[in-house]
Order: sequence, then C-alpha cells, then structure tokens
Amino acid sequence: QVHLQESGPGLVKPSGTLSLTCDVSGVSISRSYWWTWVRQAPGKGLEWVGEVSHRDITHHNPSLKSRVTISVDWAKNQFSLSLTSATAADTAFYYCARRPDGDYEIDSWGQGTLVTVSP
Amino acid sequence: QLVLTQSPSASASLGASVKVTCTLDSGHSSFAIAWHQQRPGRGPRYLMKVPNDGSHSKGDGIPDRFSGSSAGAERYLTISSLQSEDEADYYCQTWVSGIQVFGGGTKLTVL
Repeated sequence: QVHLQESGPGLVKPSGTLSLTCDVSGVSISRSYWWTWVRQAPGKGLEWVGEVSHRDITHHNPSLKSRVTISVDWAKNQFSLSLTSATAADTAFYYCARRPDGDYEIDSWGQGTLVTVSP
Repeated sequence: QLVLTQSPSASASLGASVKVTCTLDSGHSSFAIAWHQQRPGRGPRYLMKVPNDGSHSKGDGIPDRFSGSSAGAERYLTISSLQSEDEADYYCQTWVSGIQVFGGGTKLTVL
C-alpha cells in the first residue's frame, strides 16, 4: 500500500522559493503513475498545482505560469515541488498525491503540510 | 475548459441518506469523475470513481454506505445510514488534456 509524506519548510519569505518534497513508500516511483501536487488555502477548496509522470513528463496549472517546477529523484523514490516568487497567496496546505497513468482519478493522498509565506 | 459545479452545502439527519451532486459542463458531459472526502482538519481521502455508465468503483476500505451513480452530465455521491463521521467536505475531481480539475466542494452537515 502506497504511503505519501510531504516535508519542507513551513515558512517562506515573500519573493522566496517554496520547496517541498514528497517521500513515496510502498511503490516504486518509476511505476506507471502521475505524481501530483495539490494545494488548499486555509478555508478554501482544492487547487491542482501540477504533476510529473513516471516518464518525467510534467503538467502544471496554467494559472501558476512558469513559477512551478516538479521533479523526480528516482534514487530516493521521491518527487519535489518548487514554486518561485512566492507571495501570501501561496500560503496553503500542500498535498502530494498519486494518479494512475491512463486514469483520471487521484487514488492516494499524503496528509499534507502547511506552508506560510510571510516576512 | 472543463468545469465541475457543486452546491456549496448539503445537510441530512443522522441515519438518513443524502445525495451530493457534481455537474459537468455541457462540453464535457460524458466525462468520468472521482469523489474525495475531507474531514475537518484532515487531508483528502479518495472515495470512488464514477464513470458515465452509472457504475462506480470504490477505493480500499470505503464502507458500503457510500455509492456513486450518474445521469447525463450529473455525477452523484450517495451516502446512506449517515453517521456523524460523514460530516465533511466532498470534492469531485477529474482530468482532461493534462489538467486536473476540482469542483468547489460540498460541505455536508449531519444534523
């Protein structure tokens, strides 16, 4: 059974870079899945950030433009999110998740981590 | 652009049944969706996927009280024999052309 665990700084300064890692256990990250980041501002709904596939193809939310980079560390069985030029609007709970390749549904979620963008 | 529309809130009494609705926009009315539950203070949990053929396929450990169905552009999540632990936010979600889409969520109150 897959287990996803987010980690990273809980506080980022404005204009800095938000960086998070998702440790994947129970399945190889090279299997046929899309590894996904979703965020949720406090009291708001879920917002898709982006995803990376087992073939190292990435998609990201157009609203985040070129600020998002999602990458995979095959050796460590983890994937990462980098969001540059952070603002208070990026303050949110960040969840890593998994979507089977060829399917539409997210079928596993991490527990999430809160990142606050503040001076 | 694919849009998923949900009513912001729903309520039902303990032990009763409730149906939560997710509506696809007219250009994507045949698409399948997935349902996720988010209890207060917790992360989301995958419940099931609901294709456009009226069937559903649940995730591991999801109680029989939870079921899914569809009609036209609407996808439903039905919870029967409501329990207090079912009080949560419910989100529909799908994927098209490299973009994940979420509905705005429905807050279910168990009276």
